[in-house]
Amino acid sequence: ETGVTQTPRHLVMGMTNKKSLKCEQHLGHNAMYWYKQSAKKPLELMFVYSLEERVENNSVPSRFSPECPNSSHLFLHLHTLQPEDSALYLCASSPRTGLGYTFGSGTRLTVV
Amino acid sequence: GENVEQHPSTLSVQEGDSAVIKCTYSDSASNYFPWYKQELGKGPQLIIDIRSNVGEKKDQRIAVTLNKTAKHFSLHITETQPEDSAVYFCAASIKDSGGGADGLTFGKGTHLIIQP
Repeated sequence: ETGVTQTPRHLVMGMTNKKSLKCEQHLGHNAMYWYKQSAKKPLELMFVYSLEERVENNSVPSRFSPECPNSSHLFLHLHTLQPEDSALYLCASSPRTGLGYTFGSGTRLTVV
Repeated sequence: GENVEQHPSTLSVQEGDSAVIKCTYSDSASNYFPWYKQELGKGPQLIIDIRSNVGEKKDQRIAVTLNKTAKHFSLHITETQPEDSAVYFCAASIKDSGGGADGLTFGKGTHLIIQP
């Protein structure tokens, strides 16, 4: 266990479904992140939260909606996804932004 | 924004030999360069990092070198072992960016295969 826990580990959803990914960290970190990992592509930063304040990322489609209710929890709400959104979604945390990430094991998402 | 290029995409070495993975970055303001190892079914794990005020850092069999002038940095693994087989990612960011919430920019990864 890394101290960053993601649930569920696997998720299959239809394009009309709504689901949420959950991330919880027990490290006392102040920054949390969502990354998308697709085959043969770099890890793509989706969202950053620093002390529960979100940094806007205009390149992420609105069908992905993050929520950070406190410094230990991070959610990614999903709705009307496309098949190309199938990927491994990784959550990470760090003591401060841009420094020493600890990753969770990821949620493997398949959109059918 | 920052762009990180990583080579090679696949590297196969004999057990006991050394492996070198190279990365270049585009933003001269970047000053923090971590390396991550990702095993199958797991998230990336930080193995070593370097900051721009040093040129080299070593931790047992792994070392990282940084050339700020050329904007490239490399990971060196000596005396490779089967458990070193994994995907390795380099990354770059601007540490202490004045309160801005900056994330890491990652390379595409190198699949390292250690041949017995």
